[in-house]
Amino acid sequence: DSGVTQTPKHLITATGQRVTLRCSPRSGDLSVYWYQQSLDQGLQFLIQYYNGEERAKGNILERFSAQQFPDLHSELNLSSLELGDSALYFCASSMHRGSLLGYTFGSGTRLTVV
Amino acid sequence: KNQVEQSPQSLIILEGKNCTLQCNYTVSPFSNLRWYKQDTGRGPVSLTIMTFSENTKSNGRYTATLDADTKQSSLHITASQLSDSASYICVVTSGGGADGLTFGKGTHLIIQP
Repeated sequence: DSGVTQTPKHLITATGQRVTLRCSPRSGDLSVYWYQQSLDQGLQFLIQYYNGEERAKGNILERFSAQQFPDLHSELNLSSLELGDSALYFCASSMHRGSLLGYTFGSGTRLTVV
Repeated sequence: KNQVEQSPQSLIILEGKNCTLQCNYTVSPFSNLRWYKQDTGRGPVSLTIMTFSENTKSNGRYTATLDADTKQSSLHITASQLSDSASYICVVTSGGGADGLTFGKGTHLIIQP
C-alpha cells in the first residue's frame, strides 16, 4: 500500500457521460498530480495541485477538470466522455510543490468508455 | 522537444538470467533521472533516482547507471525473478515542476520459469 488511495478502482461508463475520480494523498503530502496512461502509451501529465491551488497544467483536455479540497483530497472530473478517454488514471502525491524528490503513485482507476 | 526513448519495447528472459534495459533522453536542462517499476494494473513504484553527478545507483538486484555526457541510462537486473515481470519506466526531470517530467513508454519485461 503506497498510502495514496484512489477510488473507484474500475469504472465502466457510456460515451457522453461524466465521471469523477477521487484521490486521497499520502498523509502529510500537499501536492497531488493526475496522470493518464492509455494503452501502450507513456504516462501523460494532466494537472497538479498544491495545497488547494492549481500548480501546473499539462495536456489536460477542456472536458476534464480537477480540484483539490481543504482536506487535500482531489477529484478529477471527466465529462462528455469519448471512447478514446478509456485509460488508466493515476494520482500521485508529494510533500512539496515540486517533484525533484519524487512522488508516490496510487494504484489507479481503470476507466472504460463503451 | 524533450524526449525519452526506451529499448527494447519488450523483453522475455528466463528466470535467473540477467538483463539490461536502456533509456536515451534528449531533455534539457537535466535535473534527475528515475526508473520506475509498474506491475500490470498498478501504479509505478520508484526504483532509483540519480542526479547529474551520480554514475550508478543500486537497489537490491536493480542497478541503474547514468552517462550524462551521452544522455544514456541503463537498468540492470541481476538474477531475475518471476516477480520482476513488469513494465520499467524511465523518467527524466527538467526543473522542479510536475510539467517538467518526461516519461518513456517503458520496457515490458516478462520473466519465464
